[in-house]
Amino acid sequence: AQSVAQPEDQVNVAEGNPLTVKCTYSVSGNPYLFWYVQYPNRGLQFLLKYITGDNLVKGSYGFEAEFNKSQTSFHLKKPSALVSDSALYFCAVRDSSGNNRLAFGKGNQVVVIP
Amino acid sequence: DTAVSQTPKYLVTQMGNDKSIKCEQNLGHDTMYWYKQDSKKFLKIMFSYNNKELIINETVPNRFSPKSPDKAHLNLHINSLELGDSAVYFCASSQWDLLGKELFFGEGSRLTVL
Repeated sequence: AQSVAQPEDQVNVAEGNPLTVKCTYSVSGNPYLFWYVQYPNRGLQFLLKYITGDNLVKGSYGFEAEFNKSQTSFHLKKPSALVSDSALYFCAVRDSSGNNRLAFGKGNQVVVIP
Repeated sequence: DTAVSQTPKYLVTQMGNDKSIKCEQNLGHDTMYWYKQDSKKFLKIMFSYNNKELIINETVPNRFSPKSPDKAHLNLHINSLELGDSAVYFCASSQWDLLGKELFFGEGSRLTVL
């Protein structure tokens, strides 16, 4: 079964500094990888995904993520964090078997300090 | 127009009661899901329907019964509510295919069992 690890509970970063949220995955076959963001008292919003092709994927709100097959990682990055980026970030993985099961990580709280 | 809408947004009820949460999507998707988010923000899939057919049924007590009258609607009925059922329940939808379509989430229904 597929799984995702998000090792940190909380990521603190100063406004304007680079932001990185880590994600490693385990899946049989080719992975389909996703990042979602959840603002307080809201549903999850899709940020970006990796299916195939270029390892660097660009998404919404200036976020990007890099797929690294050898390290089984899909870290989320933003060059310059904004206070409004403070939220809960979820990494998720689906395998290519067609079972349509999306496994979520435990989530990382990002706090951007003004 | 709200893409995935859930009602009610908040539910407060006593143990032993029965309650329902409704979900509707206007995205033309053929697959819908129920996820449970616990107090630690961990997301767990409960059910998934594709074209009104149940395709994912995780280890969920049979007090929980999903119903999909058509592919745009997926409701969740919970019998004999217990304290441990307190959580936020998210409905989501996507298009079924093998290429990794993202999920669209509703805003959640916060259930509190007293």
